[in-house]
Amino acid sequence: AAGVIQSPRHLIKEKRETATLKCYPIPRHDTVYWYQQGPGQDPQFLISFYEKMQSDKGSIPDRFSAQQFSDYHSELNMSSLELGDSALYFCASMGTDSGRTQYFGPGTRLLVL
Amino acid sequence: AQTVTQSQPEMSVQEAETVTLSCTYDTSENNYYLFWYKQPPSRQMILVIRQEAYKQQNATENRFSVNFQKAAKSFSLKISDSQLGDTAMYFCAFMKHENRIQGAQKLVFGQGTRLTINP
Repeated sequence: AAGVIQSPRHLIKEKRETATLKCYPIPRHDTVYWYQQGPGQDPQFLISFYEKMQSDKGSIPDRFSAQQFSDYHSELNMSSLELGDSALYFCASMGTDSGRTQYFGPGTRLLVL
Repeated sequence: AQTVTQSQPEMSVQEAETVTLSCTYDTSENNYYLFWYKQPPSRQMILVIRQEAYKQQNATENRFSVNFQKAAKSFSLKISDSQLGDTAMYFCAFMKHENRIQGAQKLVFGQGTRLTINP
């Protein structure tokens, strides 16, 4: 079965640089979520989209923005990167056929130097 | 706001033993979902089991079962005949039922329990 795809899998950036993370949900899933997991932490919700509209917003810094496109893929844009942004970023998707269950991608490991 | 608490930071059992991971949550909602996710060393988040709050019957998936006590707001995970591959961080998570105004709801995670299965 198709799973959530995230790219890139690993990313190394310098402070103050920008990064773009991409997420391709499971086919026919209309909702996308972004989570941030710091070292030794539980995942924290950043933002979600339903049918290409922002659905909910969590603890996402103003330096970050995201959108969902017409093909339902989503991108998380991160600017003015800080050392504290180093984390594992997960995308999850959910659809009407997924039993209201979020399925996670493999994550993007971001390291800011 | 909802909170999820996992009071066991670490647990360790021998292979083939049964182990129970605890989870409690706090909410004023009546309709919601509860999940256990597993995060092995690869750090992939893998769904283990889900429970709908309006269903009284406890969910079961092969060797994994839950004890859902709605009144006590408790949602424990039992792993039977534990295997080496069960070694992972286990997260309990809560999700409100979505509604037309607020849309799809986010997952709220507990702090996790690191489970080690020893040979």
